[in-house]
Order: sequence, then C-alpha cells, then structure tokens
Amino acid sequence: KNQVEQSPQSLIILEGKNCTLQCNYTVSPFSNLRWYKQDTGRGPVSLTIMTFSENTKSNGRYTATLDADTKQSSLHITASQLSDSASYICVVSARGSTLGRLYFGRGTQLTVWP
Amino acid sequence: ETGVTQSPTHLIKTRGQQVTLRCSSQSGHNTVSWYQQALGQGPQFIFQYYREEENGRGNFPPRFSGLQFPNYSSELNVNALELDDSALYLCASSDGVYAGETQYFGPGTRLLVL
Repeated sequence: KNQVEQSPQSLIILEGKNCTLQCNYTVSPFSNLRWYKQDTGRGPVSLTIMTFSENTKSNGRYTATLDADTKQSSLHITASQLSDSASYICVVSARGSTLGRLYFGRGTQLTVWP
Repeated sequence: ETGVTQSPTHLIKTRGQQVTLRCSSQSGHNTVSWYQQALGQGPQFIFQYYREEENGRGNFPPRFSGLQFPNYSSELNVNALELDDSALYLCASSDGVYAGETQYFGPGTRLLVL
C-alpha cells in the first residue's frame, strides 16, 4: 500500500536552533518527492522537489535529503526563525502518475519559540 | 503569493445545506485540483479538472462536484452538507496534469458545518 509517514508529529524548538523532519514512504515506483510548507490557514507552498537521482537539494535555510534505497527523506532547517513556524508536508508521487495520485503525509507541525 | 485566490475565506453552513466554493487559477494554467484538508491531516484529493473536463477523482461521493471555466476560474460544489465536511478546502492550479508539475495552492476556504 502506498503510504507516506512523517515524524515527529509536532516539534517545538527555540529560535536559532536547527531541526530535522523525517519522511518515510512506500510509494512505488517512485517518481519525485516534494516538501511543502503550510502556514496556519494558508495553502501549502513548495520548498523543494527531488527526483530519484538527487540526494540533496537546498533552498535557503532548508535542505532536503533523499535516500531512494531506504525510501527516506529529511528536511533540515538551519538557524530557525519565528517565521518557520508552520506545518511541513511531505508529498510523494509514483512514476507516470497524475496529480490525482499524489501521496500526502500528515505533516509535522513545527513551532519556533523566541 | 502563488497567484491563486479562493473565496470566501471562511464559511459557516448547517447540515443539509449546499455550498459553492470558488477558485481563480494562475493565468495560463489549464489544470485545477481540489483538496479537502481536515484539521491535523494532509490534503485529500477530491478531483481534478483539465480544460473544463473532470480528469480524475478521489474517494469522494457524487455530492462533491465541480466546474472549470475558460477564464481560469473554477468551483467546488458540495450538496447535502454533513458535519464531517468541516475542513479547509484548497484548490491548486498547474500547467499540466502529471505529478511532476508544480501545483500552486490557494489560501483555502475554511468551511464549518454545524
């Protein structure tokens, strides 16, 4: 069964600290994996997209990694800011699939305290 | 900002009523997808429209229906509202139907059914 599991469910860190969010998936055959940031009451915004051949991709203070062999991805946030408080959602697609066959994780709710 | 707008931002209805939610896609995007996001969950795919035709549907009953118009706007209609329909409804526009396309999400409409 194609699934996407994220951990932790929620996380609280102090401003300036680093953190890592995890995503495990069983989607096959794998096509790509995206990390989205969703502010409260807003729509998700794409942070990174990674295909099978990519191991790491950065977007400012956000760095995503992908291990296609173990079917794991992580999102590392460096020097966190208050504005990083949001839900981070991992989304995986299977090869050849349409947008209707995206597999969404439940998200990790990150709270950054001053 | 993603260039995708939704209206209204919030809505309160009672059980059994009907509701219409609206979305304005990015100019030039011929695909719109609608999602339901319950509190603390990832988005669930409702359906997708491509060039004004339904192009895929998730596990939602027929009382969820949609329309897409030539001017890049679209609607989600829900009949016979149930309490479990309370959620954030997101639309996302893209320039194609395949999973590799980037989706641009609107801010969502938060629906509360009493």
